[in-house]
Amino acid sequence: EAQVTQNPRYLITVTGKKLTVTCSQNMNHEYMSWYRQDPGLGLRQIYYSMNVEVTDKGDVPEGYKVSRKEKRNFPLILESPSPNQTSLYFCASSNRGETQYFGPGTRLLVL
Amino acid sequence: DAKTTQPNSMESNEEEPVHLPCNHSTISGTDYIHWYRQLPSQGPEYVIHGLTSNVNNRMASLAIAEDRKSSTLILHRATLRDAAVYYCILLLQYQFYFGTGTSLTVIP
Repeated sequence: EAQVTQNPRYLITVTGKKLTVTCSQNMNHEYMSWYRQDPGLGLRQIYYSMNVEVTDKGDVPEGYKVSRKEKRNFPLILESPSPNQTSLYFCASSNRGETQYFGPGTRLLVL
Repeated sequence: DAKTTQPNSMESNEEEPVHLPCNHSTISGTDYIHWYRQLPSQGPEYVIHGLTSNVNNRMASLAIAEDRKSSTLILHRATLRDAAVYYCILLLQYQFYFGTGTSLTVIP
């Protein structure tokens, strides 16, 4: 089954404790992206990657890092999480110009 | 940045057609217009997309204005399962620009 998976689905952490949210797709897509969704603000893009070892900032990259060492994986790293990064995070993948497939979301609470 | 403007919310009666409008006055010639929807507690899912001509699929129809500065997503017969937030998005190469979307309520 074609899908985008994210782990964990739910995470509670404390300020400053590094965490990684994994994202994996099995559709051989070139493009992967991370979004955050906050009430009243819709989805905002954090980082995106056009292919292996090619990443770029989206609209809200501050406080986040990403890497794309393999085509199927695109982890999101929060080196020192803060409460304002409490949000719902979505990973997505596609080929250029085509439909984006979204993961189920990761709900993060930073205390 | 490419931007879209949609009403915050709309209501429709079940079994009736729904027309969801979107303005994208800054659209350029190569931008595709995509529509996604997000059901409660789920990630966004693809609905339809187009460039210049009107498009139909099993889920919906997309009507694109001749000047491409606006478009309308048409759900021909709204069902309770169509209650969701609908996003009109411009696709610039790899980047999707989401707005805040339209929250559609379907009244039984």
